Amino acid sequence: EAGVAQSPRYKIIEKRQSVAFWCNPISGHATLYWYQQILGQGPKLLIQFQNNGVVDDSQLPKDRFSAERLKGVDSTLKIQPAKLEDSAVYLCASSFTTDDNEQFFGPGTRLTVL
Amino acid sequence: AQRVTQPEKLLSVFKGAPVELKCNYSYSGSPELFWYVQYSRQRLQLLLRHISRESIKGFTADLNKGETSFHLKKPFAQEEDSAMYYCALKSPSNTGKLIFGQGTTLQVKP
Repeated sequence: EAGVAQSPRYKIIEKRQSVAFWCNPISGHATLYWYQQILGQGPKLLIQFQNNGVVDDSQLPKDRFSAERLKGVDSTLKIQPAKLEDSAVYLCASSFTTDDNEQFFGPGTRLTVL
Repeated sequence: AQRVTQPEKLLSVFKGAPVELKCNYSYSGSPELFWYVQYSRQRLQLLLRHISRESIKGFTADLNKGETSFHLKKPFAQEEDSAMYYCALKSPSNTGKLIFGQGTTLQVKP
């Protein structure tokens, strides 16, 4: 089966600019996760969708980050405006349901904010 | 608050030596714990989960509730085991959210 797809793979922007990341989960997976992984740290959940509804966005910096999954399939994560501390790898993952014990991860998008 | 701690950033062993990657967690209930692995230039992927009590690629991990630990072990390390290993705790909030540790790089030398 095709895995989780993400684009772009790399992005370099200047602070205060905007950026968007795209994720297409595994077909049939209802649950989609966006994680932020800062260098030297483990992934941290930013937002979780169940179909097109938000399940958990408690750690999403909502003043600058937004995400949507309008049709319950692919998703977009946006940062506007970016700060230096947003430099990280943004990982998308999906699972069949929230009860599923395995999350499948995409290759990630490496963001550098200058 | 739930937390996962992996005290070692880097663990370096020789091929054939035993390996133990440490993981400690803080959670008062019945935890669900996982080990995820990321090989060089590959995606993060599930290695094993404690509820399955399985051995994958020779690795095992036993949940010790008394010590709140879930250490990953392998009796004889292979060079292909070199990777980044993350311990993760499933949030008790029923959302499926994973709380990851900082990760440990395992380097197996020939």
